[in-house]
Amino acid sequence: NAGVTQTPKFQVLKTGQSMTLQCAQDMNHEYMSWYRQDPGMGLRLIHYSVGAGITDQGEVPNGYNVSRSTTEDFPLRLLSAAPSQTSVYFCASSRDSPYEQYFGPGTRLTVT
Amino acid sequence: SQQGEEDPQALSIQEGENATMNCSYKTSINNLQWYRQNSGRGLVHLILIRSNEREKHSGRLRVTLDTSKKSSSLLITASRAADTASYFCATDAGTGGFKTIFGAGTRLFVKA
Repeated sequence: NAGVTQTPKFQVLKTGQSMTLQCAQDMNHEYMSWYRQDPGMGLRLIHYSVGAGITDQGEVPNGYNVSRSTTEDFPLRLLSAAPSQTSVYFCASSRDSPYEQYFGPGTRLTVT
Repeated sequence: SQQGEEDPQALSIQEGENATMNCSYKTSINNLQWYRQNSGRGLVHLILIRSNEREKHSGRLRVTLDTSKKSSSLLITASRAADTASYFCATDAGTGGFKTIFGAGTRLFVKA
């Protein structure tokens, strides 16, 4: 099993550009989530999904969209990048609840 | 808002010593978890303790939970240099059990 994979590993965007961060898992997990981690802070939940077709907002959803068309994939879209979105983004999955999550390696995003 | 708050923010010990980290939270929980993050990597789940449990062990890890004080502690016994990492507590406090909220973490440095 590859576990949770994220692409790209690094990305630089200009303000106003849009992009999609990819996340995939091969463990048949129902629960998937996106977090951002800023220096000196813990992880903050952006969006989460409890299964294909079902998503909901986390603590910091503004400026981000998600969809879940398959069990395996949970992409995160930045609609119009802003410098405040410079961060490390982690995707995670777990069997059917927000517990015992498996994390991907992260995407380091810089917005200039 | 961050429900789990770790204390201390940073801890430096010698190899072989025990390391204790504390976590406090604000509202009632169903479960509390501890995760480890090595520098530049994704988080790894260590242990989950349910609200009706008081203590749990996993190898060199010992977690306690005091729901009356809304606090938990993580003890790592006989620390090794490889234990150098950031440790995060995560709760579902105030989320109805659908989300995990992370604290800012304790940075542990174990000197060889």
